[in-house]
Amino acid sequence: DTGVSQDPRHKITKRGQNVTFRCDPISEHNRLYWYRQTLGQGPEFLTYFQNEAQLEKSRLLSDRFSAERPKGSFSTLEIQRTEQGDSAMYLCASSQPGGTGAEKLFFGSGTQLSVL
Amino acid sequence: AQSVSQHNHHVILSEAASLELGCNYSYGGTVNLFWYVQYPGQHLQLLLKYFSGDPLVKGIKGFEAEFIKSKFSFNLRKPSVQWSDTAEYFCAVNSINTDKLIFGTGTRLQVFP
Repeated sequence: DTGVSQDPRHKITKRGQNVTFRCDPISEHNRLYWYRQTLGQGPEFLTYFQNEAQLEKSRLLSDRFSAERPKGSFSTLEIQRTEQGDSAMYLCASSQPGGTGAEKLFFGSGTQLSVL
Repeated sequence: AQSVSQHNHHVILSEAASLELGCNYSYGGTVNLFWYVQYPGQHLQLLLKYFSGDPLVKGIKGFEAEFIKSKFSFNLRKPSVQWSDTAEYFCAVNSINTDKLIFGTGTRLQVFP
């Protein structure tokens, strides 16, 4: 499968614990996006990278959230001191270089986080 | 701030019925518009997009959408739906100055044979 892959598919954690998710984009894609989706809502933008540079971060994202893309390939999203409100599906997407990056996003299957 | 409204949260149709899903956006500048679809158990995928030119755009599987600038709308249409169109449909917009895509809340479509 040469699509966007995310790991793990599911994560159950206790409130206050730290969690880290990984995303591997399509290899030739230089833009990588993180979204969060809760039940009954559309994907909510969190942050995006062009290569290793984090170009934009949502103001809704608290300081407990951090994302990295150190070598411009895979990315990690870490949530520190998780809260029950963090329970959601975390989606990663990537897009090709050139033009508007949002031209066509290729999404992964997501990581479903449940905070108990 | 940009926002996208999808007023139809849940639509139920019989096969061969016509479909129109509403999408309105809020943004004063030039935008790009998208419809994404999520079939049961699958990831989000692009259905169609509008950047410029002909306001009537055609996508995969017989879907089309019309951009009406004066109404800030980008409604999705299909003349005759199939059971396989059962999915969740998301309208999305981004301004041409950013790569940040803003999604609507989605419309769940159920098509019965």
